[in-house]
Amino acid sequence: ETGVTQTPRHLVMGMTNKKSLKCEQHLGHNAMYWYKQSAKKPLELMFVYNFKEQTENNSVPSRFSPECPNSSHLFLHLHTLQPEDSALYLCASSPLGREGDTQYFGPGTRLTVL
Amino acid sequence: AQSVAQPEDQVNVAEGNPLTVKCTYSVSGNPYLFWYVQYPNRGLQFLLKYITGDNLVKGSYGFEAEFNKSQTSFHLKKPSALVSDSALYFCAVPDSVGGSQGNLIFGKGTKLSVKP
Repeated sequence: ETGVTQTPRHLVMGMTNKKSLKCEQHLGHNAMYWYKQSAKKPLELMFVYNFKEQTENNSVPSRFSPECPNSSHLFLHLHTLQPEDSALYLCASSPLGREGDTQYFGPGTRLTVL
Repeated sequence: AQSVAQPEDQVNVAEGNPLTVKCTYSVSGNPYLFWYVQYPNRGLQFLLKYITGDNLVKGSYGFEAEFNKSQTSFHLKKPSALVSDSALYFCAVPDSVGGSQGNLIFGKGTKLSVKP
């Protein structure tokens, strides 16, 4: 295990539901990331938090809302999603969010939107 | 802009044979280069990275990668493949634009299939 956990591991939701994904890292890192991994597409960076401050939002639709209450926890709140949002959502952390830092990934949440 | 390219969607190797997964890069300045592996239904696992120094970088699970500046390549290699090495492999480079230095840009991935 890498020290990054994600819950739930699998999630099925309807388009009108509201749900949240949780990520926790036990590595003492200060930067955390959300990625989306869809079939046949490159890994897409969604959000970056560095020392609890959001430093990147890669034109992600507002139906995805991140929250980072402290350097160890990261949430992704979901509401009124579309079927094309079905994907593997990966969380990662790195020590300082600087060039050359290694990112460590969680196992991911497999999301299916019906 | 920083970028990496993985020219092969899939690589097939017989168990016991050497394997190579290719990656080429385009960066300004001295590159940091990464390799990650993803097993089915799992997150990405860090294998190795090049910072500076020796062109041959050794990593986890017997993998190594060779940094070649003249060919702008960072190919992943293993002398003897195992069936358990079958997975998706990603090359990555930092996104050094503006304040995004900690972000990584990933290649599209190469599926490695090792047959017994």
